[in-house]
Order: sequence, then C-alpha cells, then structure tokens
Amino acid sequence: DTAVSQTPKYLVTQMGNDKSIKCEQNLGHDTMYWYKQDSKKFLKIMFSYNNKELIINETVPNRFSPKSPDKAHLNLHINSLELGDSAVYFCASSQDSGGARGYTFGSGTRLTVV
Amino acid sequence: AQSVTQLGSHVSVSEGALVLLRCNYSSSVPPYLFWYVQYPNQGLQLLLKYTSAATLVKGINGFEAEFKKSETSFHLTKPSAHMSDAAEYFCAVSERNQGGKLIFGQGTELSVKP
Repeated sequence: DTAVSQTPKYLVTQMGNDKSIKCEQNLGHDTMYWYKQDSKKFLKIMFSYNNKELIINETVPNRFSPKSPDKAHLNLHINSLELGDSAVYFCASSQDSGGARGYTFGSGTRLTVV
Repeated sequence: AQSVTQLGSHVSVSEGALVLLRCNYSSSVPPYLFWYVQYPNQGLQLLLKYTSAATLVKGINGFEAEFKKSETSFHLTKPSAHMSDAAEYFCAVSERNQGGKLIFGQGTELSVKP
C-alpha cells in the first residue's frame, strides 16, 4: 500500500498543452509539497499546503497551479507547457509544517515536453 | 538565505571501504538536517535526520551522520560500503517553523566498485 502515490509516472506531451499530475497520501499527514528535480538532479520546492491551505509558493510561474481538495490530495496543473518544464516532479508529505520530521516522497512523475 | 553545499558531485569507493559524503550548511542557527538517498528512477528515501537531540545520528542501512555546529557540517558515513549503496545522496536543511521547506544540496553520486 503506497504511502505517497503520484500519477502518471511518465508524461510526454507537446508544447502548449495543459496537463495535470495527481498526488495522494494515505499517511494522515497534514502537509504536502511539490518539488521539481531538473536534469542535473537539483531539487527545488515549488509549493506546500497545510490542511488544504497554501503556505509556500516559491516564485513558480503562474502556469503552475496547485489544488488541494482535501489534506490527502495535492494535484498540480500546468498550463501552456514549455520545453523548460521538462523535469521530474515529486510530491511529498510530512506530519506537520514545523520542519523537524522529514518528508515521505512519492516516486516521481517524469514530464517530457516535446 | 540558507544554502547547502555537498563537496564532490561524484564519490567512488571500493566495496568494504569507508563511505564519507560531505555536507555543509550556511545557517547561523542550527537547522534541522537530513540525508536522503535516491535510487535510479525512484523517489527519495529518508536515511536519517538531526533535530537537536544527539549530535551523532544513526540511520537506516548502517549509515550515520555527525552534526558539528562549529564546522556547520553534517557529514554522512558508513564503515563498509556495499554494492547496494550505489545511489544519489542528498543533504537537506529545514529552518525551524518555515513551513517545512527543505533546501537541498546538489547531490553526490556514490559509486561502489567490486
């Protein structure tokens, strides 16, 4: 039973399209995150939500819009995809937003924009 | 701004040899510190964390790390490398009560030679 699950695992799409990535956690955690890992494997936070409330929005283009329908789900919608959006996107969750407990990560969604 | 530096983007050791992966952080106030491991095409797995208790932290798979405030370091060690330890290792910091945001180092790829 996967703790943090993301779908799809792979996503290949053309420039200009709109796509969504879904994330669900069954750990009962209060806080969820989206991270982007670029081609050099560098990881950077994009967003975090605590109990459905946005608490971190890290200078991400407006084309990226997170949605949290409940505290177990955090989806990422991307409009007008660009070549530079190609990356691996990781969802993660933690028990709280205090920073002490570390995260549980999903297995990632590899997005390729052609 | 907080930053994390991992010395060496690639470390190669022989099976059975000591593993030492270096991490330095920039905060003047001791943050929470983490080491994560990423196997190919997988998400990140928490190895260990420092949250202001004992300065020598033991983690999974025989890894441990020592927090040294005077050196602002949190180096990861393992006495004897196994082939299965080959992976990408990330050091990360989280400042207290900053929404749980993790700031990652650039990663160190560990290779283990037979």
